[in-house]
Amino acid sequence: EAGVAQSPRYKIIEKRQSVAFWCNPISGHATLYWYQQILGQGPKLLIQFQNNGVVDDSQLPKDRFSAERLKGVDSTLKIQPAKLEDSAVYLCASSLVVTYNEQFFGPGTRLTVL
Amino acid sequence: GNSVTQMEGPVTLSEEAFLTINCTYTATGYPSLFWYVQYPGEGLQLLLKATKADDKGSNKGFEATYRKETTSFHLEKGSVQVSDSAVYFCALSDKTGNQFYFGTGTSLTVIP
Repeated sequence: EAGVAQSPRYKIIEKRQSVAFWCNPISGHATLYWYQQILGQGPKLLIQFQNNGVVDDSQLPKDRFSAERLKGVDSTLKIQPAKLEDSAVYLCASSLVVTYNEQFFGPGTRLTVL
Repeated sequence: GNSVTQMEGPVTLSEEAFLTINCTYTATGYPSLFWYVQYPGEGLQLLLKATKADDKGSNKGFEATYRKETTSFHLEKGSVQVSDSAVYFCALSDKTGNQFYFGTGTSLTVIP
């Protein structure tokens, strides 16, 4: 079974530029999560999708971050414009259903904002 | 609100030593509790979980018991190996599964 795929694995941009990350969850997984993991901290949930609908985006900085999950499969997370403090690893995870279910994580995208 | 407090690292142990990584939580209701592990260069993966009080999760020689009275979910292993070197994250999920919270992670290094 293929795991959660993410691309790119690494990205370096200058502040005020835009960047997009892509995630392909495990086939059949209805729930998809985006996390931000700043160095030395635990992952922080940014947004959660159930199929193509948003379940929770309370911690997403909506003035600069956006995410979509077209057709309930792949998802894209965008930052526009980026700030220095956005430097982090962005993790995508998926699960079959929401309640108590194991989340499967992708390898993450390491973003460096200069 | 919900939160997880995890023992700070880094932790360095000799092979075959006993491991404990402390985790306490604050939550409304009855959350599910998890330990995730991140090996060097890899993504997070579930190590074990417990969904109700007094449940014990176990996997690969690791154990953790859901203690409602002390709001704790400490990770233990009787004899660590070099291959256990990784970062360990305690996490909780509320009853709906809509809120997922991670601790800050504890880095473990096991030396031969």
